[in-house]
Amino acid sequence: QVHLVESGGGLVKPGGSLRLSCAASGFTFSDHTMTWIRQAPGKGLEWLSYISGSGTNIYHADSVKGRFTISRDNAKNSLYLQMDSLRVEDTAVYYCVRPVDSSVDSWGQGALVTVSS
Amino acid sequence: EVVMTQSPLSLPVTLGQPASISCRSSQSLLHSNGNTYLSWFQQRPGQSPRRLIYKVSNRDSGVPDRFSGSGSGTDFTLKISRVEAEDVGVYYCMQGTHWPRLAFGGGTKVEIK
Repeated sequence: QVHLVESGGGLVKPGGSLRLSCAASGFTFSDHTMTWIRQAPGKGLEWLSYISGSGTNIYHADSVKGRFTISRDNAKNSLYLQMDSLRVEDTAVYYCVRPVDSSVDSWGQGALVTVSS
Repeated sequence: EVVMTQSPLSLPVTLGQPASISCRSSQSLLHSNGNTYLSWFQQRPGQSPRRLIYKVSNRDSGVPDRFSGSGSGTDFTLKISRVEAEDVGVYYCMQGTHWPRLAFGGGTKVEIK
């Protein structure tokens, strides 16, 4: 059974940094691409970042390009999102999500990030 | 960039009655491999999203058969044949054809009248 657990959320001031982690289990992590998706309070879902199984190919949404960096450690079955230069509008629940066959089939419980002074 | 547009924004439904949600994409979702990567998700209050349907009309394991998906090209529909109380939540469509930049519709809130 696929299990994804995010951690590292919290309160941070505008301009600050935060690193989210996602611990994966129940599947061969290195065989799968992974993504981060976020949801601002009361809003819809926004795709943020993608990383290939080997970590070679990375894509970010324009809204976070240059500020957020996705990475992974296959030896630790872990996915990361380094978030720098945070803005108030980055306040959201951040989900670690496993894509399968051009869809997504497994979501974590989410990590809340609040950017406020 | 593919833009996904859902309607209606809110859908009040009487228990036992059908419900229908529309999703339109700004570009065709027909992939060159012949597949159409359109998925539907349900998000109950306070929960993470859960996938219901993938590749337009394939139900995920454990999803009741009152949920069905249809459509092609740029127009898609999610139907609930008889709404039950547990179906309350927000429903999202998502395109995966133009991978890896996934795109979601804005969501449709299903509530009981």
